[in-house]
Amino acid sequence: HSALTQPRSVSGSPGQSVTVSCTGTSSDVGGYNFVSWFQQHPGKAPKLMIYDVTKRPAGVPDRFSGSKSGNTTSLTISGLQPDDEADYYCCSYAGKSYVFGTGTKVTVL
Amino acid sequence: QVQLVESGGGVVQPGTSLRLSCAASEFTFSTYAMHWVRQAPGKGLEWVAGIWNDGTHKNYADSAKGRFAVSRDNSKNTLYLEMNSLGAEDTALYYCARGTYCSDGSCYSGAYWNYWGQGTLVTVSS
Repeated sequence: HSALTQPRSVSGSPGQSVTVSCTGTSSDVGGYNFVSWFQQHPGKAPKLMIYDVTKRPAGVPDRFSGSKSGNTTSLTISGLQPDDEADYYCCSYAGKSYVFGTGTKVTVL
Repeated sequence: QVQLVESGGGVVQPGTSLRLSCAASEFTFSTYAMHWVRQAPGKGLEWVAGIWNDGTHKNYADSAKGRFAVSRDNSKNTLYLEMNSLGAEDTALYYCARGTYCSDGSCYSGAYWNYWGQGTLVTVSS
């Protein structure tokens, strides 16, 4: 399975909303509702932000939301805050394996 | 507080082997699937391997098939990754991550990986 396709970077001002897209195929994103999103700050381990396309783990602000349409899934961050500046990776189940996205750097202007 | 502590990384020559360990604590290790994820320097995340709670099912990324072997010792609360025929492309920070809770002989397939270790660095260089 090839890596899922994400934009290299997106940016927004504090308080704005940004959306990160993640495109796969019918063998991964489109075939299962098992998409997760991870946030990674420099030098830190990844942190789970969204799982099963739309669900948030306990402690993750509701400013973070996920969606899916066909082979593309998206992460939306509303009310952008300085600490949201990080790399974000999507991840999809692909039938006995998992595939990550290429990663997107979110910059808070 | 759930803890995952990786160890075993280091600098090794191409073609050699290495075994990584991930010591788990503060949760019932034997009831969770576990995964290895790696990140090459300056690059993105790559899933490497996963293993069910009882070790009966093991899955690998294409890059790991035939060279890497994932295993676990539930009596020691420890996850392992045996890596053989290492090449420069295997240079990365290797993370272990707690997978989903398993019950009734199966593990949920979603990537509910909410606990990660800090990683152990593997450098393959001559």
